[in-house]
Amino acid sequence: EPEVTQTPSHQVTQMGQEVILRCVPISNHLYFYWYRQILGQKVEFLVSFYNNEISEKSEIFDDQFSVERPDGSNFTLKIRSTKLEDSAMYFCASRGVGTSGKETQYFGPGTRLLVL
Amino acid sequence: AQKVTQAQTEISVVEKEDVTLDCVYETRDTTYYLFWYKQPPSGELVFLIRRNSFDEQNEISGRYSWNFQKSTSSFNFTITASQVVDSAVYFCALSEAGNAGNMLTFGGGTRLMVKP
Repeated sequence: EPEVTQTPSHQVTQMGQEVILRCVPISNHLYFYWYRQILGQKVEFLVSFYNNEISEKSEIFDDQFSVERPDGSNFTLKIRSTKLEDSAMYFCASRGVGTSGKETQYFGPGTRLLVL
Repeated sequence: AQKVTQAQTEISVVEKEDVTLDCVYETRDTTYYLFWYKQPPSGELVFLIRRNSFDEQNEISGRYSWNFQKSTSSFNFTITASQVVDSAVYFCALSEAGNAGNMLTFGGGTRLMVKP
């Protein structure tokens, strides 16, 4: 079954360091997303990406964040200078028809980021 | 602006009881999509269902059923004969067709605990 994968599953970093979170979306999907979930809170939209450019971003997605699709398979989220409040689970999603037979967003397992 | 409210933060039931999770949404779009996702203790987000705003037919899938009522802007989820494996956080989400990136706006989630 095709699925969205994310690496690493966990990352610990020092405040001020740069981190890159990686995602491999489902291969025939064209729309990609990043969401985050602070522990115990709801899932929040960060950014959507289509045709090699950002289609929409939230207020959370400030200049410290960037996304890239460096090749035909990977989709990355970079945080330039991490802050304590960036600690969260980061979910990648891709949109298309998946195993359910319906078009929807399918989520990866997440990367848990801890900023110390 | 779109908004999703899940008033029940936590529900506890005993196995085999039926349970309904409430979801109320706000949107100005006439075309939109409603979703339910399950987040088990392992943390991933599992897609359960997508409904279109122009299709108010209720849906049943095994022990799961969904009641979409446009008149009250609600999209409630019922689990019949609950099982311990149903214990998870359940998120209702909304996507507006007029939104370029089709981002999902999530509710705060309902934590369901099913006791044996």
